[in-house]
Amino acid sequence: AQRVTQPEKLLSVFKGAPVELKCNYSYSGSPELFWYVQYSRQRLQLLLRHISRESIKGFTADLNKGETSFHLKKPFAQEEDSAMYYCALAGAGFQKLVFGTGTRLLVSP
Amino acid sequence: GAVVSQHPSRVICKSGTSVKIECRSLDFQATTMFWYRQFPKQSLMLMATSNEGSKATYEQGVEKDKFLINHASLTLSTLTVTSAHPEDSSFYICSARRNDRFDYEQYFGPGTRLTVT
Repeated sequence: AQRVTQPEKLLSVFKGAPVELKCNYSYSGSPELFWYVQYSRQRLQLLLRHISRESIKGFTADLNKGETSFHLKKPFAQEEDSAMYYCALAGAGFQKLVFGTGTRLLVSP
Repeated sequence: GAVVSQHPSRVICKSGTSVKIECRSLDFQATTMFWYRQFPKQSLMLMATSNEGSKATYEQGVEKDKFLINHASLTLSTLTVTSAHPEDSSFYICSARRNDRFDYEQYFGPGTRLTVT
């Protein structure tokens, strides 16, 4: 079965500190992984996906198949990064995304 | 591009009545749309996958007779909450996959807040 685990419900850091939001997955095939972000009172939006290997708003995420992880990182957090972050997985042949439970990132000044 | 709208954004209804929520892809076609439910400060729970021209696929534990889904066209899916009860009060979110892209990315609507009194 496909599963996405985000172990931290809340991550609180100070502005300028590094951030790592953890995501582990369980899937036997080759997954497609995403990070979605939900800012306060806004819709869910795609932050980045592993196949594009791009950096969005300073965030990066590397797929580690050996550790089955897709952690989201940013070297210097900004207050505007405060939001809810969801890791999601799609497997070949599956239409739906499997979401993790989400991590709330709070960046304090 | 790739905008998804939902209507209404908020709705209050009395217990026992039915409520219809619309999900539209504004600038792309979507054979596949999804309906989620989100409780306060919790993750999204997939309710069903809506397929244009065929029956929706419901997740385990979701009552298909209570949550009726109709995917009438390539740009419109509707969710009808029938005989609503206070426990159906929630935030309902839809998403859509683009027909012209062969990936799994979903574009999300802004959500509909349903309150059943």
